Amino acid sequence: GQQLNQSPQSMFIQEGEDVSMNCTSSSIFNTWLWYKQEPGEGPVLLIALYKAGELTSNGRLTAQFGITRKDSFLNISASIPSDVGIYFCAAPPVQGAQKLVFGQGTRLTINP
Amino acid sequence: SAVISQKPSRDICQRGTSLTIQCQVDSQVTMMFWYRQQPGQSLTLIATANQGSEATYESGFVIDKFPISRPNLTFSTLTVSNMSPEDSSIYLCSVVRWDGHRGGGYTFGSGTRLTVV
Repeated sequence: GQQLNQSPQSMFIQEGEDVSMNCTSSSIFNTWLWYKQEPGEGPVLLIALYKAGELTSNGRLTAQFGITRKDSFLNISASIPSDVGIYFCAAPPVQGAQKLVFGQGTRLTINP
Repeated sequence: SAVISQKPSRDICQRGTSLTIQCQVDSQVTMMFWYRQQPGQSLTLIATANQGSEATYESGFVIDKFPISRPNLTFSTLTVSNMSPEDSSIYLCSVVRWDGHRGGGYTFGSGTRLTVV
């Protein structure tokens, strides 16, 4: 089946540092989604990407849809303590049902 | 995006019993999904809840263990049957609704944290 390989699995950074994480797949996708999950909550959508090559920002967050349609990255600039959480990439398969496939997640820890 | 109310938010259950989780959406949606998130893991789709017909289950999940109801376009339930400690997970409801503008149509409930003892 289609899989999303997300890396790194965890990050330990200092407050103020920039963060970069990515997702790759052997399959192509028409949509890439980035979610953040905090303890006790469901995933919340951060950024949605709909076009190959698209670069989209949401405040300090920037995500890009890879030109090959097989990858995407998420950057967080000047991290702050509230950025702590688990970040997931997700994508619906090109054909078939609209269910989402998820990456394994990147757990972000920030040292103040 | 849609607003989802999922309950209970958490429960501790005895093995061998069953728990029914409810998902209520603030508006009609076409697609509703149920996911499982095991401790420290990513989300795995259990099934797609279809209105007026039987749910569509993913490989590894069966109706006898996870019966699903969807009586209308705003409500669904997932039952975890004959529970064992291995069923201890977070169960999440998700919906898809396209609002006709960019921003993604997939929304998640806050989840039900289930502990089986």
